[in-house]
Amino acid sequence: DAGITQSPRHKVTETGTPVTLRCHQTENHRYMYWYRQDPGHGLRLIHYSYGVKDTDKGEVSDGYSVSRSKTEDFLLTLESATSSQTSVYFCAMSRGEGTYEQYFGPGTRLTVT
Amino acid sequence: AQSVTQPDIHITVSEGASLELRCNYSYGATPYLFWYVQSPGQGLQLLLKYFSGDTLVQGIKGFEAEFKRSQSSFNLRKPSVHWSDAAEYFCAVAARGNNNDMRFGAGTRLTVKP
Repeated sequence: DAGITQSPRHKVTETGTPVTLRCHQTENHRYMYWYRQDPGHGLRLIHYSYGVKDTDKGEVSDGYSVSRSKTEDFLLTLESATSSQTSVYFCAMSRGEGTYEQYFGPGTRLTVT
Repeated sequence: AQSVTQPDIHITVSEGASLELRCNYSYGATPYLFWYVQSPGQGLQLLLKYFSGDTLVQGIKGFEAEFKRSQSSFNLRKPSVHWSDAAEYFCAVAARGNNNDMRFGAGTRLTVKP
């Protein structure tokens, strides 16, 4: 969506290699999220951030870590990619402050071979 | 924690026909409810939201949804479907007071026949 981008958009990597996905927003929103989307599961929350250097785990956080050193950037790292992490990853942002709607990036399709 | 069920995995309608996509939620209090649409290869776009007040909410692209507390439902409707409405639709529920816990349904894929 406007104001939020993800890179790369597609990535193929081998099992055991580290992978970092980047999310960048230009809206100065406080909250940022990483989700994974798998058939039959909808979107599931991996990690979220409620401010610079403030992050916490979501529903499916095992095998993932995140960092947020600036308001606009939220990084998702797979320390050692596994085939079960093949998925489409979405970043989202939310203003917070009494609003709850989230705005999504275009997604990153990750394939782990 | 709250949860969402979308009973229909796939729906096919003819262009010009009416549409209703079902969504049932589980939450102990009045939730915040959302419908998102995802076109192939795209991110999710917010169609509409319900926070409080009028239980019939209008959204973009001619969609509307009705919150029915007694049925724990938030069904999405459109009176006349266009071919461009073919997409996947997700219902989501957020807990009041918690910006960090939005739960999504598994989605309903809509096919539009010419």
